[in-house]
Amino acid sequence: EIVLTQSPGTLSLSPGERATLSCRASQSISNSHLGWYQQKPGQAPRLLIYGASSRPTGIPDRFSGSGSGTDFTLTISRVEPEDFAVYYCQQYNNSPQAFGQGTKVEIK
Amino acid sequence: EVQLVQSGAEVKKPGESLKISCKGSGYIFSVYWIGWVRQMPGKGLEWMGIVYPGDSDARYSPSFQGHVTMSADKSFDTAYLQWSSLKASDTAMYYCARRGIYQGAFDIWGQGTMVTVSS
Repeated sequence: EIVLTQSPGTLSLSPGERATLSCRASQSISNSHLGWYQQKPGQAPRLLIYGASSRPTGIPDRFSGSGSGTDFTLTISRVEPEDFAVYYCQQYNNSPQAFGQGTKVEIK
Repeated sequence: EVQLVQSGAEVKKPGESLKISCKGSGYIFSVYWIGWVRQMPGKGLEWMGIVYPGDSDARYSPSFQGHVTMSADKSFDTAYLQWSSLKASDTAMYYCARRGIYQGAFDIWGQGTMVTVSS
């Protein structure tokens, strides 16, 4: 069973700053089957990144993903007011397809 | 429009049974796995398992195996999550989501079903 550990737990930023979120896996994730999701209060999660670095249609290009193996990163190049939310990584290569515990991006 | 629509909020007592639903539309429901995700109040996302509507094949997280049952009826484009005996600790929001066109990541999510279990 792969365990995902996200850091930091909370990231305090001002609008316009760069956000760097980390997701570390307990073992290598094959095929880079790693996704990132955004969840705002009272809403369902939304897929931001799949395959570690690809964006679905409609996701702004200020969101980018990188990494392979056990270390992955989500970067928001310049945080917009609507980006303050909780972000989760998920591996979907092996069952159970666990999520990380989340990183909250809050307004500084 | 591709969407998943879940059944409404439920309030149950411990020991009662429950079945919640997730109906797909705007795509061929039977060919994409549907996942279930639990979110306890104020907590993170937990992957419960997935079910394939084409043949109702289900894969469970060890944390949920034996406590819930996932099924699907492709004739009605609907997936289900059921409990035979609820506990207070089952109080949570439950989301269904499609393992879709992006390598199998969850690309479409339902709006969630809030389940409250209280005596």
